[in-house]
Amino acid sequence: EPEVTQTPSHQVTQMGQEVILRCVPISNHLYFYWYRQILGQKVEFLVSFYNNEISEKSEIFDDQFSVERPDGSNFTLKIRSTKLEDSAMYFCASSPDRVGEKLFFGSGTQLSVL
Amino acid sequence: AQSVTQLGSHVSVSEGALVLLRCNYSSSVPPYLFWYVQYPNQGLQLLLKYTTGATLVKGINGFEAEFKKSETSFHLTKPSAHMSDAAEYFCAVTAEGGNQFYFGTGTSLTVIP
Repeated sequence: EPEVTQTPSHQVTQMGQEVILRCVPISNHLYFYWYRQILGQKVEFLVSFYNNEISEKSEIFDDQFSVERPDGSNFTLKIRSTKLEDSAMYFCASSPDRVGEKLFFGSGTQLSVL
Repeated sequence: AQSVTQLGSHVSVSEGALVLLRCNYSSSVPPYLFWYVQYPNQGLQLLLKYTTGATLVKGINGFEAEFKKSETSFHLTKPSAHMSDAAEYFCAVTAEGGNQFYFGTGTSLTVIP
């Protein structure tokens, strides 16, 4: 079965550094998402992306965050200047359409900001 | 606005016993409801979903859930727990055309041998 691939699985960074989390969505999917899960808390929506632009974003997704689909396969989340509170598991997801029927999730990138 | 509430952050059952994980939703539009499972060090895997039609939905690994509009619930059940069912379970809600999934806080299921 096709799957969403995320790299790296773990990322450790110093506060204030930039990080880029990478995702390869399922190839024929059109909608792409980032979610995050702070330890012990809910999985939270960050941003959705369609047709090379952000279609929706949450309050969490401030100016420190950006997303990009630099080529036909990768979908990246960049955090410009990481804060301690950015430490979380970040999940990429994709779906074939917008009817909300199914999201396919990657296995996540555990980001630790020291 | 949409949200889900999962009652019980930790549930323990004996192997072979009934599994019941509770989820209540809030939605101003007809909801689409999902259960996802997360095994250690893995991503979220879809167990089952309700969109329209039959209110009792069956998923993978013997799980099923029933959409009860009158109770705004979508509880997950399995008649007989297996050791391999130990994982974190998340209920989620969206709507047709929805661009976001709203997740609950999760329920950690422990299966006791």
